[in-house]
Amino acid sequence: AQTVTQSQPEMSVQEAETVTLSCTYDTSENNYYLFWYKQPPSRQMILVIRQEAYKQQNATENRFSVNFQKAAKSFSLKISDSQLGDTAMYFCAFTSMNRDDKIIFGKGTRLHILP
Amino acid sequence: KAGVTQTPRYLIKTRGQQVTLSCSPISGHRSVSWYQQTPGQGLQFLFEYFSETQRNKGNFPGRFSGRQFSNSRSEMNVSTLELGDSALYLCASSLAVAGAAETQYFGPGTRLLVL
Repeated sequence: AQTVTQSQPEMSVQEAETVTLSCTYDTSENNYYLFWYKQPPSRQMILVIRQEAYKQQNATENRFSVNFQKAAKSFSLKISDSQLGDTAMYFCAFTSMNRDDKIIFGKGTRLHILP
Repeated sequence: KAGVTQTPRYLIKTRGQQVTLSCSPISGHRSVSWYQQTPGQGLQFLFEYFSETQRNKGNFPGRFSGRQFSNSRSEMNVSTLELGDSALYLCASSLAVAGAAETQYFGPGTRLLVL
């Protein structure tokens, strides 16, 4: 069974610093998708970034980038120049390319950006 | 386009009662997924509906059920409520089935408290 592990339940960094959130996963699949979702306090969860496993290039969305290490089954999220609005719960998620498969989420990392 | 809406936003029930939660997806989206979010377990997949058919189901007891209507609106029902059912219930919609790595758009959730 696929699993997603986020080893950092909570983190705090100063505004403008760079922070990296860790995520590891376990699967026997070769083709799959990985996601980072952000859930701000009392607000709706939104997709931050997505990575296809068959792509070697790491995905980037503005200040958000990932470090995808397929062999190590690692998928970390780097937030550069962190802002107060980045304060949120961040969830790492996995789904295989099998259309019948469901999305599996990690338990989340609560990130606090301090002024 | 209006986002995903969920009603009610907050609900208080007592043990043994039943509850029905509603989710209206983004217009044009045909897939609706339901998740239970708790501090200890993170996000756990309940089920997914696509074109009125349940496509996938998580590891929850039969007390949890759902359905989808022809207009893609979905309801989930929990019967014989237990204290452990207290959680934030999130609904997410996507154009096609979620397992095809479609971006999921989440609603604000329904917070259920069972006393």
